[in-house]
Amino acid sequence: EVQLVESGGGLVQPGGSLRLSCAASGFTFSSYDMHWVRQATGKGLEWVSAIGTAGDTYYPGSVKGRFTISRENAKNSLYLQMNSLRAGDTAVYYCAKEGFGRAFDIWGQGTMVTVSS
Amino acid sequence: SYELTQPPSVSVSPGQTASITCSGDKLGDKYACWYQQKPGQSPVLVIYQDSKRPSGIPERFSGSNSGNTATLTISGTQAMDEADYYCQAWDSTSVVFGGGTKLTVL
Repeated sequence: EVQLVESGGGLVQPGGSLRLSCAASGFTFSSYDMHWVRQATGKGLEWVSAIGTAGDTYYPGSVKGRFTISRENAKNSLYLQMNSLRAGDTAVYYCAKEGFGRAFDIWGQGTMVTVSS
Repeated sequence: SYELTQPPSVSVSPGQTASITCSGDKLGDKYACWYQQKPGQSPVLVIYQDSKRPSGIPERFSGSNSGNTATLTISGTQAMDEADYYCQAWDSTSVVFGGGTKLTVL
């Protein structure tokens, strides 16, 4: 079964750091670009970062310089290091696999990140 | 930055056809895809490359994309189709989502 399972979410103070993980199974992880997408409660989807099969990375302006996406193909794992966290980063964070047509064909269940004092 | 605009809500009667639009500058020159998200669940891809359905997605879901507008059409809408729907496209190396449309099946 193709599956993505996120972990590492929790409560963190403003200015703090958190590292999210995403464990992939059921497909050849190293062959696909991967992404992080977040969703604040009651709000829409927001793309957070992408990493290509060659390790190239991409970010929107809202997180560039604060977030770092990485992957460890030997462990079928995707990561998101989040630094200098703000209240506005509070959201459910999903990892997603990029498939045909550059659409996200597989999503994890999400992990909640709360930034609050 | 590139923006995709969706109506906040669309209502449809059971058995009727629902159309959800997604507007963006020259969107027809890009591929659009659509996700369905039910409360408390992760998004599910329902349309990719403008009009293709992933395996397991019912035939009542279809899509089109031309000019500045992509459209998700649900024919013979069922109560189970009530959900939030998001369009998505790529702008160079960035991913852009529409704001989402809440589909209500009355």
